[in-house]
Amino acid sequence: NAGVTQTPKFQVLKTGQSMTLQCAQDMNHEYMSWYRQDPGMGLRLIHYSVGAGITDQGEVPNGYNVSRSTTEDFPLRLLSAAPSQTSVYFCASTNLLGQGSNEQYFGPGTRLTVT
Amino acid sequence: DAKTTQPTSMDCAEGRAANLPCNHSTISGNEYVYWYRQIHSQGPQYIIHGLKNNETNEMASLIITEDRKSSTLILPHATLRDTAVYYCIVRLSGSARQLTFGSGTQLTVLP
Repeated sequence: NAGVTQTPKFQVLKTGQSMTLQCAQDMNHEYMSWYRQDPGMGLRLIHYSVGAGITDQGEVPNGYNVSRSTTEDFPLRLLSAAPSQTSVYFCASTNLLGQGSNEQYFGPGTRLTVT
Repeated sequence: DAKTTQPTSMDCAEGRAANLPCNHSTISGNEYVYWYRQIHSQGPQYIIHGLKNNETNEMASLIITEDRKSSTLILPHATLRDTAVYYCIVRLSGSARQLTFGSGTQLTVLP
């Protein structure tokens, strides 16, 4: 298994540009999520999905859109990039079966700079 | 989910046990304690979790007090590669699976 993969690893955007951060997992996990991490801070949840066709907002959803058309993929779209969105973005996945376990698997991250 | 309190930073000598404390005094009966770590610039990595009983796996041990208001993550023989930020997270079982990350503890293993 490749686990959770993210592309690109690095990206530089100009203010107002749009782009999509890709996330894929090959573990057949129902749950996927996107976090952002600003320098020296913990991770904050942007959006999450509990299955194909179902998405919901996290702690900091403004400026981001998501969709979940398949179990494997959970892309994050920035419609009009702003310097405040400069951050490292992590995608994660886990299964929803059972209770109490369900460790989250994280991707390697996408480092985004908006100038 | 219950809030957690961790020290900002800790040092540990290589080869010695690293004991990382976490307070979660408002934890409820069906909330689990999870530990993750994040090595510089990498995605967080799951370490261990528990509800009431002490737990051990190949990476670490988790000691939860009887009243469940605090816990300690133990790395029995710390190596330089264990230098990372360690996050203690308390989460309801059966809820949506998002994790609430605090600031964590920066553990530095010294040679």
